[in-house]
Amino acid sequence: QSVLTQPPSVSGAPGQRVTISCTGSDSNIGVGADVHWYQQVPGAAPKLLIADNNIRPSGVPDRFSGSRSGISASLAIAGLQAEDEADYFCQSYENTFWVFGGGTKLTVL
Amino acid sequence: QVQLQESGPGLVKPSGTLSLTCAVSGGSISSSNWWSWVRQPPGQGLEWIGEVYHSGTTNYNPSLKSRVTMSVDKSKNHFSLKVNSVTAADTAVYYCAAVIFEGLDCWGQGILVTVSS
Repeated sequence: QSVLTQPPSVSGAPGQRVTISCTGSDSNIGVGADVHWYQQVPGAAPKLLIADNNIRPSGVPDRFSGSRSGISASLAIAGLQAEDEADYFCQSYENTFWVFGGGTKLTVL
Repeated sequence: QVQLQESGPGLVKPSGTLSLTCAVSGGSISSSNWWSWVRQPPGQGLEWIGEVYHSGTTNYNPSLKSRVTMSVDKSKNHFSLKVNSVTAADTAVYYCAAVIFEGLDCWGQGILVTVSS
C-alpha cells in the first residue's frame, strides 16, 4: 500500500482534458513537501514530467500542468493525445525519504 | 548532460546479496547531487530504496533500511547498491536516478534483477 494514493486508472478521448489526483497526509504533502510527477511508457524508465508541484522541465509540453493544495496534488493533461497513454506516478517527501504514489494508468480511448 | 547506466548480475540466489553499480557520465559524482536507487517489481509501482551523497551520507527507505547499503566510489565515478538477504519479493527492475536540478530528473535505463535458485 503506497503512502500517496492515486486512482488506478483514468481515461479520456483524444482532445479531452483529464486530471490525476495524488492524496497524501499531514506527514508529507500536507506539511508543504513538494510533489513531482513522472510519466512511464511501457518498457522505459520513468521521465520527470512536473517538478516542484507545477514546474515543467524543458521539453515537456505545456499541455501538462500540476497543482498542490492541502494534502493533495493533481496532474492535468489537456488536449489528450495518443502518445500520452502511459503510467503516471506522483512523488513527495516524508521526513528523510521519498515516497511514491501507486501509479495511474492513463488510457486514451 | 549527466547520464546513468546500471550494471550487475541479473540473477541472485535467495538469501544472497544483490549488488548493483551505477556509472555516472557527463558529470562528476562529487557534484552537489543526491544519487538514488528506485525499484519496480514486475507489473507494479515504483519504490524508492534510498540515496547517497558524494560525502557518503545516506538516507534509506525505512522498510528496507536493515538490508540496504549504498556507497560512492569517486575514483570510478560511480555509486553502488547492496541489498542482503534477498527473497523473491526483491525481484524487480532496479533504476539508478539523480536529482540534477529538481525532482529525479535523470534516470538510468534500468536493470532487471531476478531472485531465484
